[in-house]
Amino acid sequence: NAGVTQTPKFQVLKTGQSMTLQCAQDMNHEYMSWYRQDPGMGLRLIHYSVGAGITDQGEVPNGYNVSRSTTEDFPLRLLSAAPSQTSVYFCASSYDVELGIPGELFFGEGSRLTVL
Amino acid sequence: SQQGEEDPQALSIQEGENATMNCSYKTSINNLQWYRQNSGRGLVHLILIRSNEREKHSGRLRVTLDTSKKSSSLLITASRAADTASYFCATDASSGGSNYKLTFGKGTLLTVNP
Repeated sequence: NAGVTQTPKFQVLKTGQSMTLQCAQDMNHEYMSWYRQDPGMGLRLIHYSVGAGITDQGEVPNGYNVSRSTTEDFPLRLLSAAPSQTSVYFCASSYDVELGIPGELFFGEGSRLTVL
Repeated sequence: SQQGEEDPQALSIQEGENATMNCSYKTSINNLQWYRQNSGRGLVHLILIRSNEREKHSGRLRVTLDTSKKSSSLLITASRAADTASYFCATDASSGGSNYKLTFGKGTLLTVNP
């Protein structure tokens, strides 16, 4: 199994450009999420989804959009990139949603984004 | 805001020694998880402990949870150079609202010197 696959691994954008970070998982997980990791800040939750057609905001959702049309895919869209969005982005999924509680998260290898 | 906070921020030990990292959190939880991150890689799940458990073991890892103090500790015994990584705790929030949000601390950077 490939697990959680993120593309691209590296991306450089100019301020104002838009792009989509792709995330796909082949484990039939209902729960998927996006985090950003910045030095000294740990991981912060951007958006998450508990199934196809269901998404919700995390801690830092501004400037990002998501959708979940299939169980496998959970793309993250930056509509107008800003330098503050320079970060490493991680997608994660989980199979163990017990009573609304995600269990073990499986992470992708990350997408490193630089906005100039 | 971060639900969990790890302590210390950085820890340097010699191979063979034990490493202890702590995590404190603010609100009631359903479970607490520990993850490892090697430099430039994604996070890898280590262990999950539920709020009604006090201790859990997995190989050289020992995790304790004290819900009265809202704290957890991760002990790595007989450390190896390959254990060099950042370690994070992650918690949900059981008091009201959505429990789907897993929040991470800022991590402890462990360096194991050969």
